[in-house]
Amino acid sequence: VQLVASGGGEVQPGRSLRLSCAASEVRLSASAMHWVRQAPGKGLEWVSFTSYDGTTKSYAASVKGRFTISKDNSGNTLYLQMNSLRPEDTAVYYCARGSLEWSYFDSWGQGTLVTVSS
Amino acid sequence: QSVLTQPAHVSGFPGQSITISCTGTSNDVGAYNYVSWYQHVSGKAPQVIIYDVNNRPSGISARFSGSKSGNTASLTISGLQAEDEADYYCCSYATSVDFDWVFGGGTKLTVL
Repeated sequence: VQLVASGGGEVQPGRSLRLSCAASEVRLSASAMHWVRQAPGKGLEWVSFTSYDGTTKSYAASVKGRFTISKDNSGNTLYLQMNSLRPEDTAVYYCARGSLEWSYFDSWGQGTLVTVSS
Repeated sequence: QSVLTQPAHVSGFPGQSITISCTGTSNDVGAYNYVSWYQHVSGKAPQVIIYDVNNRPSGISARFSGSKSGNTASLTISGLQAEDEADYYCCSYATSVDFDWVFGGGTKLTVL
């Protein structure tokens, strides 16, 4: 399983950014997927989840209403649309595949850095 | 502030055993046998080393083991090796209105 996250960069507070996670050697149409982030000097924080078919989605309280997770199964790509960005959203964002029973993250991508600063 | 509580630092000499604790509540660690542990080396992707409390993925050394009692989970690394030096995170599925996963604050393991 190979997951490659991209789309990070520096953005001003209040602006938007869309992260992508390209998958190879795995079909996202059959995979639950997550976004997890790590702020500088901090620990891991779960951000968002989507079931394999996209019918079930969930968000951390810190991003609910601002972030949207989606999957393009035909393009085998996971997305995270991030709106109304705040300085506290500054982090390395990882995409990760959920296990079959959704209980853990069995494969991780390398991560992409998002910096929210004026 | 992380939902699950881990010690910030642990250390040990090569060949020794160390244990990292992960304390949660009856809404997360105590509610399900869905505790997992991740090894994270700076600059690399995290890697699962224990899932569902005490299961090791294929390819993970038997030196890594997990357990749980009540609201506290534990990761034990036996026969410490220099390559084990990394950050370790526990994670649990949590009950809430929606699906939710919570992490510990992470433990830095130093091999002396």
